[in-house]
Amino acid sequence: QVNLLQSGAALVKPGASVKLSCKASGYTFTDYYIHWVKQSHGKSLEWIGYINPNSGYTNYNEKFKSKATLTVDKSTNTAYMELSRLTSEDSATYYCTRSLRRVPYYFDYWGQGVMVTVSS
Amino acid sequence: DIQMTQSPASLSASLGETVTIECRASEDIYSNLAWYQQKPGNSPQLLIYDANSLADGVPSRFSGSGSGTQYSLKINSLQSEDVASYFCQQYNNYPFTFGSGTKLEIK
Repeated sequence: QVNLLQSGAALVKPGASVKLSCKASGYTFTDYYIHWVKQSHGKSLEWIGYINPNSGYTNYNEKFKSKATLTVDKSTNTAYMELSRLTSEDSATYYCTRSLRRVPYYFDYWGQGVMVTVSS
Repeated sequence: DIQMTQSPASLSASLGETVTIECRASEDIYSNLAWYQQKPGNSPQLLIYDANSLADGVPSRFSGSGSGTQYSLKINSLQSEDVASYFCQQYNNYPFTFGSGTKLEIK
C-alpha cells in the first residue's frame, strides 16, 4: 500500500534552517512527482512546489522560491524539503504528497504532516 | 495566480441532509479541479478529481460537478463521519492553488 512517511515535529530557532523528510513506499518512487504543501494553523493550504524524483527537476511556487529547497535520494525513496532563514511565518504543518508525472496533477496520497514551530 | 473562491466558509446541517459547497476560479480551469476532505488532526484526503470523478474508496454520496470557472461538491445523506473541512484545488496552472476551505458541522 502507498505510504508517505514524514519525519517528526521540529522546534527551530528564528534564522535557522530545517530539513524535512518524506519516505515513500508501496509504489515506484520515480513514477510520481512529490509535492510539498503548507498549512498554517487553522488556515488553508498553499502549494510550495514539486520535484520529479526521476530527474531531480523542480518547480516552485514563486512565493517559496527563496524559502524552500526540494531534493530527493532515489536510493532510499526519500524526498526532502529544506526551509531556510526561518521566521514565525514559517510555523505551520507541512505535508508531502504525490501526483502523477503527467496531467491530471491531483494529489492522491498524502503524508501525515510535520509541524514546524519557529521559536526562540 | 488563479484565485479559488470557496463558499460557504462554514456550514451546519442535520444528519441525512444534502449539502453543497461551491468553488469559483478566477479563470477557466477546464475541469482540472480536485476536492479534498480533511478531518481534524488528519491529512487531506482526495475525494474528487477532474471535477467529477470519484476517488477510490470514496462513498458514492459524494459527487462533484461543474465546468469553466464554477464547481461544486455535493454530499448526499450527510453522515456523522462527514464532519471535516473541505478544500477545492485547481491543477490547471502553476502555482496550484486551493480554496480557503469549508468547515462542515452537524447540527
